[in-house]
Amino acid sequence: AQSVTQPDIHITVSEGASLELRCNYSYGATPYLFWYVQSPGQGLQLLLKYFSGDTLVQGIKGFEAEFKRSQSSFNLRKPSVHWSDAAEYFCAVGLTSGTYKYIFGTGTRLKVLA
Amino acid sequence: NAGVMQNPRHLVRRRGQEARLRCSPVKGHSHVYWYRQLPEEGLKFMVYLQKENIIDESGMPKERFSAEFPKEGPSILRIQQVVRGDSAAYFCASSTDREAFFGQGTRLTVV
Repeated sequence: AQSVTQPDIHITVSEGASLELRCNYSYGATPYLFWYVQSPGQGLQLLLKYFSGDTLVQGIKGFEAEFKRSQSSFNLRKPSVHWSDAAEYFCAVGLTSGTYKYIFGTGTRLKVLA
Repeated sequence: NAGVMQNPRHLVRRRGQEARLRCSPVKGHSHVYWYRQLPEEGLKFMVYLQKENIIDESGMPKERFSAEFPKEGPSILRIQQVVRGDSAAYFCASSTDREAFFGQGTRLTVV
């Protein structure tokens, strides 16, 4: 069955430190890949997306993600975290087998220490 | 350039009442999805609709929940006889072939 795994439920980093949030997917073909951020009580904001081509994708707010086919991964990175980055981050895959739908990971909650 | 519009943003219902959640997709989009986010959890797929058709309802609870996307007007997610466990954020998305755009969600509280 298709699935998305975000192995880290909580991550705490100091402001200014680098960040990497992990995402692995299980799917036969290469899906479309997305990262979203959700602040408390808010909706989802798209950070970046991968459809095809260059495997290193640049997004908003200084985030980037790298698609690694051999590892079925799409990890999100930021070189220097800001306090305003504290939020919940969701990885999602868009599947096109039969019907098109999104499958979300369970999310990683990021806490930033001043 | 209106995105996906959901209303109401917040909805309070007593146990046993009905909840109706509305979603207006991005203009021109004919695919609508509903997701539920329980407190402290991720988003769970509920249903995928095209105009006047339910394409995939594999994530919908078998009872009390229904969804429609009529030819005219918004998509409606309807929950009959709500229970406390229905309290959650419900997100709607509309899509092109590759990318979905999400609304701000409706936060349902059952008291």
